[in-house]
Amino acid sequence: DQQVKQNSPSLSVQEGRISILNCDYTNSMFDYFLWYKKYPAEGPTFLISISSIKDKNEDGRFTVFLNKSAKHLSLHIVPSQPGDSAVYFCAASDDGATNKLIFGTGTLLAVQP
Amino acid sequence: DTAVSQTPKYLVTQMGNDKSIKCEQNLGHDTMYWYKQDSKKFLKIMFSYNNKELIINETVPNRFSPKSPDKAHLNLHINSLELGDSAVYFCASQDRGFYEQYFGPGTRLTVT
Repeated sequence: DQQVKQNSPSLSVQEGRISILNCDYTNSMFDYFLWYKKYPAEGPTFLISISSIKDKNEDGRFTVFLNKSAKHLSLHIVPSQPGDSAVYFCAASDDGATNKLIFGTGTLLAVQP
Repeated sequence: DTAVSQTPKYLVTQMGNDKSIKCEQNLGHDTMYWYKQDSKKFLKIMFSYNNKELIINETVPNRFSPKSPDKAHLNLHINSLELGDSAVYFCASQDRGFYEQYFGPGTRLTVT
């Protein structure tokens, strides 16, 4: 059973427009959420995170929104740039004892010039 | 001055062989992980070590044996390789009290 789901395997956006990547989770015990970005042949790199006590966290062009009642989070990138083209993984931490991360299946974002 | 490094980056071997992948982190973190990314691109945790002690073992076949000689290193040894072991293996490290994990570049293992 997949506790973290990214239902859109791919997304195409024009340069300068907003990219919205979505993530749903099933475990109400998740207390921390992260987004990672991955280029081909490289490891995932940490992008932005949010604690369950917040509903929004912003870092430059990247904003993460959390809707706990809907068990849904989203990553907004604005304005999108061609260098943002990558696979984006959503991850959630399942408990405080181990800080283990559960990853979604990823969304491939293509930003068209 | 790579934070998390893995060797080798590519590994091609035949079924039945035994192979090892090495990981080193210079971030001073206490916790290290091994992940497997399969053909469906799903990134799944395999093991976690905290200060040389095994703390997570996610029902991985016992052909896989992690070893942590010190807290900066976590190696993965795989015995009797099978076709289904073909995947990209990522090492990651994490600082105590933080959720963020920092990943190595990955090792693409191909079993023929």
